[in-house]
Amino acid sequence: AQSVAQPEDQVNVAEGNPLTVKCTYSVSGNPYLFWYVQYPNRGLQFLLKYITGDNLVKGSYGFEAEFNKSQTSFHLKKPSALVSDSALYFCAVSQNYGGSQGNLIFGKGTKLSVKP
Amino acid sequence: DSGVTQTPKHLITATGQRVTLRCSPRSGDLSVYWYQQSLDQGLQFLIQYYNGEERAKGNILERFSAQQFPDLHSELNLSSLELGDSALYFCASSPWTGATGELFFGEGSRLTVL
Repeated sequence: AQSVAQPEDQVNVAEGNPLTVKCTYSVSGNPYLFWYVQYPNRGLQFLLKYITGDNLVKGSYGFEAEFNKSQTSFHLKKPSALVSDSALYFCAVSQNYGGSQGNLIFGKGTKLSVKP
Repeated sequence: DSGVTQTPKHLITATGQRVTLRCSPRSGDLSVYWYQQSLDQGLQFLIQYYNGEERAKGNILERFSAQQFPDLHSELNLSSLELGDSALYFCASSPWTGATGELFFGEGSRLTVL
């Protein structure tokens, strides 16, 4: 069964510093991987996805993620953090991709706190 | 604004009661997904519908049921409510059947069971 793990409950970063939010996955077959962000009292918003192709995926708000097949990881990164990036970040893997079934399995989330 | 509308935003009810949560997907989206978010369980997939038909089932309790209507809106029915059902329930929609593309999430319905 597909699963995704986010080993850090919280990541603290100073504004202007690079940030990394970690994600590892376990799937049978090729993985379809996603990052979503949730601001307080809001729904989840899509940031980026990896389906195939380049291992470095660029997404919204300056975020990018690096797919590493050998390490089964899909870490979210940003070169320079902003206070407004503070939110809850979810990594997700697609289950039963293709065909007529499909849903996302989410990690438990990582709270990112960016201090001025 | 994702284009997905969920009502009600907040709901407080008592144990043993039944509630219905409603979701209107983005215009043109045929797939609707329901997720439950709680502090201890995280974000759990409940069920998916595509164009009126159930397509995938996750950790949905037998006390819960859902359906998608011809106009593509969906309802999640929760019955015999327990304290542990208190959570944020999200609806998401997408144009696709499989989860290879992004899902568009509503802002959720917060259910409190007292």
